[in-house]
Amino acid sequence: GAVVSQHPSWVICKSGTSVKIECRSLDFQATTMFWYRQFPKQSLMLMATSNEGSKATYEQGVEKDKFLINHASLTLSTLTVTSAHPEDSSFYICSASRGTGGPWETQYFGPGTRLLVL
Amino acid sequence: AQKITQTQPGMFVQEKEAVTLDCTYDTSDQSYGLFWYKQPSSGEMIFLIYQGSYDEQNATEGRYSLNFQKARKSANLVISASQLGDSAMYFCAMKRTNAGKSTFGDGTTLTVKP
Repeated sequence: GAVVSQHPSWVICKSGTSVKIECRSLDFQATTMFWYRQFPKQSLMLMATSNEGSKATYEQGVEKDKFLINHASLTLSTLTVTSAHPEDSSFYICSASRGTGGPWETQYFGPGTRLLVL
Repeated sequence: AQKITQTQPGMFVQEKEAVTLDCTYDTSDQSYGLFWYKQPSSGEMIFLIYQGSYDEQNATEGRYSLNFQKARKSANLVISASQLGDSAMYFCAMKRTNAGKSTFGDGTTLTVKP
Protein backbone atom coordinates (compact mmCIF):
# COMPACT_ATOMS: atom_id res chain seq x y z
CA GLY A 1 0.00 0.00 0.00
CA ALA A 2 0.85 3.73 0.10
CA VAL A 3 1.23 4.44 -3.59
CA VAL A 4 1.34 7.99 -4.88
CA SER A 5 1.06 8.81 -8.55
CA GLN A 6 1.90 11.97 -10.44
CA HIS A 7 0.78 13.07 -13.85
CA PRO A 8 2.30 13.97 -16.18
CA SER A 9 5.77 12.55 -15.67
CA TRP A 10 7.22 14.84 -18.33
CA VAL A 11 5.99 18.13 -19.69
CA ILE A 12 7.50 20.54 -22.17
CA CYS A 13 5.72 23.82 -22.67
CA LYS A 14 6.22 27.23 -24.15
CA SER A 15 7.02 30.23 -22.02
CA GLY A 16 3.88 31.97 -20.83
CA THR A 17 1.65 28.93 -20.69
CA SER A 18 0.26 27.32 -17.55
CA VAL A 19 0.96 23.75 -16.55
CA LYS A 20 -1.06 21.60 -14.16
CA ILE A 21 0.49 18.67 -12.32
CA GLU A 22 -1.69 16.14 -10.52
CA CYS A 23 -0.75 14.16 -7.44
CA ARG A 24 -2.94 11.26 -6.34
CA SER A 25 -2.78 8.88 -3.43
CA LEU A 26 -4.02 5.63 -4.95
CA ASP A 27 -4.66 3.40 -1.98
CA PHE A 28 -4.97 5.66 1.02
CA GLN A 29 -6.51 8.93 2.04
CA ALA A 30 -3.95 11.69 2.26
CA THR A 31 -4.76 14.22 4.92
CA THR A 32 -1.67 16.19 4.02
CA MET A 33 0.18 16.59 0.75
CA PHE A 34 3.46 18.32 0.10
CA TRP A 35 4.93 19.82 -3.02
CA TYR A 36 8.68 19.97 -3.55
CA ARG A 37 10.97 21.32 -6.18
CA GLN A 38 14.36 19.80 -6.87
CA PHE A 39 17.24 20.97 -9.01
CA PRO A 40 19.81 18.47 -10.32
CA LYS A 41 22.07 16.99 -7.65
CA GLN A 42 20.40 19.08 -4.97
CA SER A 43 18.09 18.45 -2.08
CA LEU A 44 14.33 18.78 -2.09
CA MET A 45 13.00 22.26 -1.51
CA LEU A 46 9.57 22.33 0.09
CA MET A 47 7.25 24.67 -1.74
CA ALA A 48 3.99 24.23 0.14
CA THR A 49 1.94 22.01 2.39
CA SER A 50 -1.69 21.39 1.60
CA ASN A 51 -4.47 19.94 3.68
CA GLU A 52 -7.70 18.75 2.14
CA GLY A 53 -10.31 21.46 1.96
CA SER A 54 -8.12 24.30 3.16
CA LYS A 55 -5.68 26.74 1.64
CA ALA A 56 -2.13 25.63 1.13
CA THR A 57 0.63 26.89 3.39
CA TYR A 58 3.48 28.21 1.29
CA GLU A 59 7.10 28.33 2.31
CA GLN A 60 8.86 31.65 2.49
CA GLY A 61 9.93 32.88 -0.91
CA VAL A 62 7.45 30.76 -2.89
CA GLU A 63 5.09 32.84 -4.99
CA LYS A 64 1.51 31.87 -4.18
CA ASP A 65 0.11 33.38 -7.35
CA LYS A 66 2.59 31.58 -9.52
CA PHE A 67 2.35 28.15 -7.94
CA LEU A 68 -1.33 27.48 -7.33
CA ILE A 69 -2.06 24.48 -5.16
CA ASN A 70 -5.47 22.91 -4.76
CA HIS A 71 -6.13 19.95 -2.46
CA ALA A 72 -9.64 19.19 -3.63
CA SER A 73 -10.08 15.78 -2.06
CA LEU A 74 -8.35 13.34 0.24
CA THR A 75 -6.74 11.67 -2.76
CA LEU A 76 -5.93 14.53 -5.11
CA SER A 77 -3.80 17.63 -5.01
CA THR A 78 -2.82 19.74 -8.00
CA LEU A 79 0.00 22.18 -8.60
CA THR A 80 -0.49 24.72 -11.38
CA VAL A 81 2.52 26.64 -12.57
CA THR A 82 1.01 29.78 -14.03
CA SER A 83 2.66 31.71 -16.85
CA ALA A 84 5.64 29.41 -16.78
CA HIS A 85 9.08 30.74 -17.65
CA PRO A 86 12.36 28.93 -18.34
CA GLU A 87 13.51 29.48 -14.75
CA ASP A 88 10.54 27.37 -13.60
CA SER A 89 12.05 24.36 -15.33
CA SER A 90 12.69 21.82 -12.63
CA PHE A 91 11.72 18.48 -11.14
CA TYR A 92 8.54 18.73 -9.10
CA ILE A 93 7.72 16.00 -6.58
CA CYS A 94 4.67 15.57 -4.44
CA SER A 95 4.32 13.51 -1.33
CA ALA A 96 1.43 12.46 0.84
CA SER A 97 0.92 11.30 4.39
CA ARG A 98 -2.06 9.70 6.02
CA GLY A 99 -2.14 11.62 9.24
CA THR A 100 -1.99 15.13 10.52
CA GLY A 101 1.70 15.55 11.01
CA GLY A 102 3.06 13.29 13.69
CA PRO A 103 6.81 12.70 13.58
CA TRP A 104 6.24 8.99 13.02
CA GLU A 105 4.24 9.49 9.83
CA THR A 106 6.02 8.45 6.69
CA GLN A 107 5.76 10.61 3.63
CA TYR A 108 5.12 8.66 0.45
CA PHE A 109 6.43 10.27 -2.67
CA GLY A 110 5.16 10.38 -6.20
CA PRO A 111 7.51 9.62 -9.09
CA GLY A 112 7.95 13.29 -9.90
CA THR A 113 7.28 15.53 -12.89
CA ARG A 114 10.02 16.99 -15.03
CA LEU A 115 9.02 20.38 -16.38
CA LEU A 116 10.90 22.04 -19.20
CA VAL A 117 9.82 25.52 -20.22
CA LEU A 118 11.13 26.68 -23.59
CA ALA B 1 15.69 25.85 13.56
CA GLN B 2 15.89 22.24 12.52
CA LYS B 3 18.85 21.20 10.42
CA ILE B 4 20.02 17.99 8.83
CA THR B 5 23.67 17.61 7.85
CA GLN B 6 24.98 15.00 5.46
CA THR B 7 28.72 15.59 5.20
CA GLN B 8 29.46 13.11 2.42
CA PRO B 9 28.50 14.48 -1.01
CA GLY B 10 29.69 11.26 -2.63
CA MET B 11 30.61 7.78 -1.49
CA PHE B 12 31.99 4.73 -3.25
CA VAL B 13 31.65 1.15 -2.07
CA GLN B 14 32.63 -2.18 -3.53
CA GLU B 15 29.82 -4.57 -4.35
CA LYS B 16 28.95 -6.90 -1.46
CA GLU B 17 30.62 -4.66 1.11
CA ALA B 18 28.87 -2.62 3.78
CA VAL B 19 28.72 1.18 3.71
CA THR B 20 27.71 3.82 6.24
CA LEU B 21 26.12 7.09 5.19
CA ASP B 22 26.37 9.81 7.80
CA CYS B 23 23.58 12.02 9.06
CA THR B 24 23.57 14.44 11.96
CA TYR B 25 20.64 16.55 13.03
CA ASP B 26 19.97 19.53 15.19
CA THR B 27 16.73 20.02 17.06
CA SER B 28 15.56 21.09 20.48
CA ASP B 29 12.45 18.91 20.24
CA GLN B 30 12.15 15.81 22.38
CA SER B 31 9.84 14.01 19.98
CA TYR B 32 10.91 13.67 16.37
CA GLY B 33 11.23 11.12 13.62
CA LEU B 34 14.21 10.37 11.42
CA PHE B 35 13.85 8.94 7.92
CA TRP B 36 16.09 7.79 5.13
CA TYR B 37 15.04 7.91 1.50
CA LYS B 38 16.70 6.59 -1.65
CA GLN B 39 16.45 8.48 -4.91
CA PRO B 40 17.67 6.57 -7.97
CA SER B 41 18.33 8.32 -11.26
CA SER B 42 14.65 7.93 -12.19
CA GLY B 43 13.88 10.54 -9.54
CA GLU B 44 11.39 8.71 -7.38
CA MET B 45 11.95 9.02 -3.63
CA ILE B 46 11.80 5.62 -1.98
CA PHE B 47 11.27 5.33 1.76
CA LEU B 48 13.87 3.07 3.36
CA ILE B 49 13.76 3.23 7.13
CA TYR B 50 12.36 5.15 10.10
CA GLN B 51 13.64 5.80 13.63
CA GLY B 52 11.61 7.50 16.33
CA SER B 53 13.37 9.63 18.91
CA TYR B 54 12.00 7.48 21.73
CA ASP B 55 12.88 4.17 20.11
CA GLU B 56 15.54 2.49 22.19
CA GLN B 57 16.52 -0.05 19.56
CA ASN B 58 18.08 0.78 16.24
CA ALA B 59 15.70 0.33 13.33
CA THR B 60 16.38 -2.38 10.76
CA GLU B 61 14.74 -3.13 7.42
CA GLY B 62 16.34 -5.94 5.50
CA ARG B 63 19.82 -4.80 4.43
CA TYR B 64 19.24 -1.35 5.89
CA SER B 65 19.88 -0.44 9.49
CA LEU B 66 19.96 2.86 11.24
CA ASN B 67 22.70 3.54 13.75
CA PHE B 68 20.90 5.93 16.08
CA GLN B 69 23.02 7.77 18.65
CA LYS B 70 20.69 10.22 20.31
CA ALA B 71 23.23 11.95 22.52
CA ARG B 72 25.40 12.66 19.49
CA LYS B 73 22.34 13.52 17.39
CA SER B 74 23.37 11.19 14.64
CA ALA B 75 21.32 8.77 12.56
CA ASN B 76 23.65 7.01 10.19
CA LEU B 77 22.35 4.61 7.56
CA VAL B 78 24.17 1.31 7.19
CA ILE B 79 23.69 -0.68 4.02
CA SER B 80 25.01 -4.21 4.24
CA ALA B 81 26.08 -6.35 1.29
CA SER B 82 25.89 -3.52 -1.23
CA GLN B 83 24.36 -4.24 -4.61
CA LEU B 84 24.77 -2.41 -7.91
CA GLY B 85 21.15 -1.33 -7.64
CA ASP B 86 21.97 0.56 -4.46
CA SER B 87 23.70 3.23 -6.53
CA ALA B 88 21.55 6.31 -5.94
CA MET B 89 21.26 9.50 -3.96
CA TYR B 90 20.32 9.03 -0.31
CA PHE B 91 18.57 11.63 1.80
CA CYS B 92 18.25 11.82 5.55
CA ALA B 93 15.17 13.66 6.82
CA MET B 94 13.63 14.69 10.13
CA LYS B 95 10.07 15.39 11.16
CA ARG B 96 9.07 17.29 14.26
CA THR B 97 5.95 16.77 16.31
CA ASN B 98 2.87 18.19 14.61
CA ALA B 99 4.95 20.06 12.07
CA GLY B 100 3.92 17.74 9.27
CA LYS B 101 6.72 18.70 6.97
CA SER B 102 10.16 17.16 6.88
CA THR B 103 13.58 18.77 6.81
CA PHE B 104 15.93 17.10 4.33
CA GLY B 105 19.69 16.94 4.21
CA ASP B 106 21.64 17.73 1.05
CA GLY B 107 21.99 14.08 0.18
CA THR B 108 24.81 11.62 -0.44
CA THR B 109 25.42 10.06 -3.83
CA LEU B 110 26.39 6.44 -3.41
CA THR B 111 28.13 4.58 -6.19
CA VAL B 112 28.50 0.81 -5.92
CA LYS B 113 31.44 -0.55 -7.90
CA PRO B 114 31.34 -4.05 -9.41
